[in-house]
Amino acid sequence: GENVEQHPSTLSVQEGDSAVIKCTYSDSASNYFPWYKQELGKRPQLIIDIRSNVGEKKDQRIAVTLNKTAKHFSLHITETQPEDSAVYFCAASPPFRSQGAQKLVFGQGTRLTINP
Amino acid sequence: DVKVTQSSRYLVKRTGEKVFLECVQDMDHENMFWYRQDPGLGLRLIYFSYDVKMKEKGDIPEGYSVSREKKERFSLILESASTNQTSMYLCASSPWTGRGSGANVLTFGAGSRLTVL
Repeated sequence: GENVEQHPSTLSVQEGDSAVIKCTYSDSASNYFPWYKQELGKRPQLIIDIRSNVGEKKDQRIAVTLNKTAKHFSLHITETQPEDSAVYFCAASPPFRSQGAQKLVFGQGTRLTINP
Repeated sequence: DVKVTQSSRYLVKRTGEKVFLECVQDMDHENMFWYRQDPGLGLRLIYFSYDVKMKEKGDIPEGYSVSREKKERFSLILESASTNQTSMYLCASSPWTGRGSGANVLTFGAGSRLTVL
């Protein structure tokens, strides 16, 4: 089955600097790659996603890039702010073979800390 | 406007007890999921369901079962709780988006933290 590896497990950056989190996946047929942010004590929430027909997607300070040949995708956060401190999860959606079996396989998570 | 509700935020159970974790969504979503969250291991899929009475095993189904009798409700059952099932359990739902389009956005519940003594 699909396996998603995420690195680094922890990341500390100065406020205003950029942060990059990387993920690799194993199933070349996976076609949907979201990123979730989980603030302390809260539920994970989607921040950005990309589908396999697109190489890059941006939303203000965050961007995701996808390299299907290499089977990896990355989250880029520019001009980091204290409220960016959270745990970030990448995920991949393997192809489904029956109605509605659209599961997500998550990476291990990255704890991002923004230092003022 | 909470859309995915997990009935218990914190539970403490004893080894061997039967445990029920309930999840209800009000978005008329077809897909529902149970994940387990442990530090350093991310979110691991236990079971998921794409329709009433339908279920599929995720990556770590051992020791768990599920029930989906109504579209809005998805229950996780620990038949005989063990200490290694101490964890945070997250329920999530997503809409069906059609064959070939890939998964869609998950809406998570607030989580149920289970401690098994």
